[in-house]
Amino acid sequence: EAGVAQSPRYKIIEKRQSVAFWCNPISGHATLYWYQQILGQGPKLLIQFQNNGVVDDSQLPKDRFSAERLKGVDSTLKIQPAKLEDSAVYLCASSWAVREQYFGPGTRLTVT
Amino acid sequence: LAKTTQPISMDSYEGQEVNITCSHNNIATNDYITWYQQFPSQGPRFIIQGYKTKVTNEVASLFIPADRKSSTLSLPRVSLSDTAVYYCLVGFQKLVFGTGTRLLVSP
Repeated sequence: EAGVAQSPRYKIIEKRQSVAFWCNPISGHATLYWYQQILGQGPKLLIQFQNNGVVDDSQLPKDRFSAERLKGVDSTLKIQPAKLEDSAVYLCASSWAVREQYFGPGTRLTVT
Repeated sequence: LAKTTQPISMDSYEGQEVNITCSHNNIATNDYITWYQQFPSQGPRFIIQGYKTKVTNEVASLFIPADRKSSTLSLPRVSLSDTAVYYCLVGFQKLVFGTGTRLLVSP
């Protein structure tokens, strides 16, 4: 069974630039999550999708972050404009049951 | 959401049993207890999940007392490759990661 795919694996941008991350979940998983993990901390949920509808985006900084999940499969997370404090690893996860999530390798973003 | 408390770090040696305890005093009736493992530069990986009493799988055991206010992840005979961060999560519809326990296994 293929795992959760994410791209790119690494990205370096300057502040005020925009960036987009892509995630392809495990086939058949209806729930998709985006997390932000700052160095030394646990992952923080940014947004949760059930199929192509948003279940929880309470911690998503909506003035600069946006996410979509077209056709209930792939998802993209965008940051525009980026700030220095957005430097982190962005993790995508998917699940069939809420409690057992399968994570991708993450995208390491560095904002300079 | 139930708040969890775990030790920041633990040290062990190869071949020993490691027990990591998590405190979750305000766990709700519907909440499950889930543990994840994370290696550097990787996403977290599901280890085990339970609701009450004891759960065992091929890699770990999870002990949950009757009051469910705490839980203990037990890793039998750890190896160097078990060096990782271990997260305890409590919830049902939503899971919140804490800072985790950094386990270091030495030869």
